[in-house]
Amino acid sequence: DGGITQSPKYLFRKEGQNVTLSCEQNLNHDAMYWYRQDPGQGLRLIYYSQIVNDFQKGDIAEGYSVSREKKESFPLTVTSAQKNPTAFYLCASSHRDRGHTEAFFGQGTRLTVV
Amino acid sequence: EDKVVQSPLSLVVHEGDTVTLNCSYEVTNFRSLLWYKQEKKAPTFLFMLTSSGIEKKSGRLSSILDKKELFSILNITATQTGDSAIYLCAVFNAGGTSYGKLTFGQGTILTVHP
Repeated sequence: DGGITQSPKYLFRKEGQNVTLSCEQNLNHDAMYWYRQDPGQGLRLIYYSQIVNDFQKGDIAEGYSVSREKKESFPLTVTSAQKNPTAFYLCASSHRDRGHTEAFFGQGTRLTVV
Repeated sequence: EDKVVQSPLSLVVHEGDTVTLNCSYEVTNFRSLLWYKQEKKAPTFLFMLTSSGIEKKSGRLSSILDKKELFSILNITATQTGDSAIYLCAVFNAGGTSYGKLTFGQGTILTVHP
């Protein structure tokens, strides 16, 4: 079955530690996205990538980093520089046909800083 | 900066009521507008709108886009408790340095009481 897999579903991190969230898709999509969602709110764009080895900052990129070494994978690292990292993180992907397509989402990772 | 604004932020109705959710946007290179429903984790796709004045329908849900006034509405008729969710609006940017950027609004939290 094709889809997007995020792991882990739940993650606990101590303050000052970096942590990496995984996002893998087998939909053959070129474009991938990372969003952050705080309770009762919408999605805020962290980073996005249209092709391998290229990515752009979204609206709240500070304290986060990404890589896009393979088409299928777009991992997100939450660094110690992110002041308020506790949130729900969603990864999405879509075809790269300039917007005439829906984006598909993973099930999310809930990160809690303890 | 691309901007998507949804209203109202929350809405409480009773079963059988009709609701209208609003989404306005400012995007330099608009390509499409998407509506999603989020109940627990992953948002699920509802509609994609690219042309003004053409209504999209799916059961009790319908949506329309006005590219001149830069807004879209999502209508839900004869609401049911299962319609309770966060409804998200998103816009694709198809040009310039923001090529391929998918920006979401804050979401509307809809609660339907029996």
